[in-house]
Amino acid sequence: EDKVVQSPLSLVVHEGDTVTLNCSYEVTNFRSLLWYKQEKKAPTFLFMLTSSGIEKKSGRLSSILDKKELFSILNITATQTGDSAIYLCAVEALNVNDYKLSFGAGTTVTVRA
Amino acid sequence: DTAVSQTPKYLVTQMGNDKSIKCEQNLGHDTMYWYKQDSKKFLKIMFSYNNKELIINETVPNRFSPKSPDKAHLNLHINSLELGDSAVYFCASSPGQGIGFFGPGTRLTVL
Repeated sequence: EDKVVQSPLSLVVHEGDTVTLNCSYEVTNFRSLLWYKQEKKAPTFLFMLTSSGIEKKSGRLSSILDKKELFSILNITATQTGDSAIYLCAVEALNVNDYKLSFGAGTTVTVRA
Repeated sequence: DTAVSQTPKYLVTQMGNDKSIKCEQNLGHDTMYWYKQDSKKFLKIMFSYNNKELIINETVPNRFSPKSPDKAHLNLHINSLELGDSAVYFCASSPGQGIGFFGPGTRLTVL
């Protein structure tokens, strides 16, 4: 059975701190790993990672994938209150006749002023 | 036991047909959602139900109609399917704020 495990489940930081979120996975026929930011309504797509060791950056957010150790991290530097959200990790697996997207439970990040 | 289940897992159909996707959660959650994941991996919310009442209805063609017969079920019916409806549809449930659990997804292919 495919598994996606995120840690920590929640954390509280102060503005300006750096946050590191973890996502480990066990899937068959890994295709990609996706990070989403969930605020009020729908998750917002952040990154899609397919290759090991290549960091993707978007402003203060960055993410990297390790396909050997089967995990990814999402970093947020110089956090702001607007970064408060649930961060979801999802892993896409693709076989010839099978498509699957498995989600982790999410990490709730609270940034205090 | 599966927390959020969807059926069918795959759906291949012709343009113009009407189809339904079923979703069930056994977590006792009050809120259920339907999302559409497009080819660029963006997840877009379509509908949200809380205790069988429609809460969110984003800009979705009225060919899409959700139906919640009870708190544990939220089905998605699609009329007159179009090519652009091809996507993966995810059901999710939540006990309150945020998203708790996603279903496995239903891959819809419209030919």
